[in-house]
Amino acid sequence: AQSVTQLGSHVSVSEGALVLLRCNYSSSVPPYLFWYVQYPNQGLQLLLKYTSAATLVKGINGFEAEFKKSETSFHLTKPSAHMSDAAEYFCAVIEGGGFKTIFGAGTRLFVKA
Amino acid sequence: GAGVSQTPSNKVTEKGKYVELRCDPISGHTALYWYRQSLGQGPEFLIYFQGTGAADDSGLPNDRFFAVRPEGSVSTLKIQRTERGDSAVYLCASSLQGGSTDTQYFGPGTRLTVL
Repeated sequence: AQSVTQLGSHVSVSEGALVLLRCNYSSSVPPYLFWYVQYPNQGLQLLLKYTSAATLVKGINGFEAEFKKSETSFHLTKPSAHMSDAAEYFCAVIEGGGFKTIFGAGTRLFVKA
Repeated sequence: GAGVSQTPSNKVTEKGKYVELRCDPISGHTALYWYRQSLGQGPEFLIYFQGTGAADDSGLPNDRFFAVRPEGSVSTLKIQRTERGDSAVYLCASSLQGGSTDTQYFGPGTRLTVL
């Protein structure tokens, strides 16, 4: 069965610092992996997705994630945090060929001035 | 163009009552999904429609939950005999074709509170 684990329900960084949000997945078949962002009072928005092409995926707002099969990880990074990045981030997985998206519990990112 | 819309934005009901939650997907999107998000958790898959038919309803928690999409556009999630544990934000999403890699566009959600 598929599952997603996000390490750290809360992450706090200073403005300009590296952002690293961790995600590990479990899947019995090659997965498709996603990162979504949820800003306060807004709907979920897709940041980026891995669909078995390049393992390093670039998304919107300067975010990127790397698929590492050996580590079953899909960590999200951004070199320099901005105040506007403060939001909740969700990692998600779909087993290849399936329709059911499984979400992690989310990581809330705080950015300090 | 318009995104996914959901009505009502908030719904307060009493235990045992029946509720309907509506989702208007992006025009032309054939796939529609319902999720439930409880406080402090990620969205939980409920049901997936491809056109008018429910292609996967394995996430519906029990037979009190039912969803329809009669004309392949608007969908209604129906909850009978509501319980306090049904309190959550119900999210709807749509995608163009419904493939595994298709981008899902989410609505703002309906916050359901069962007293």
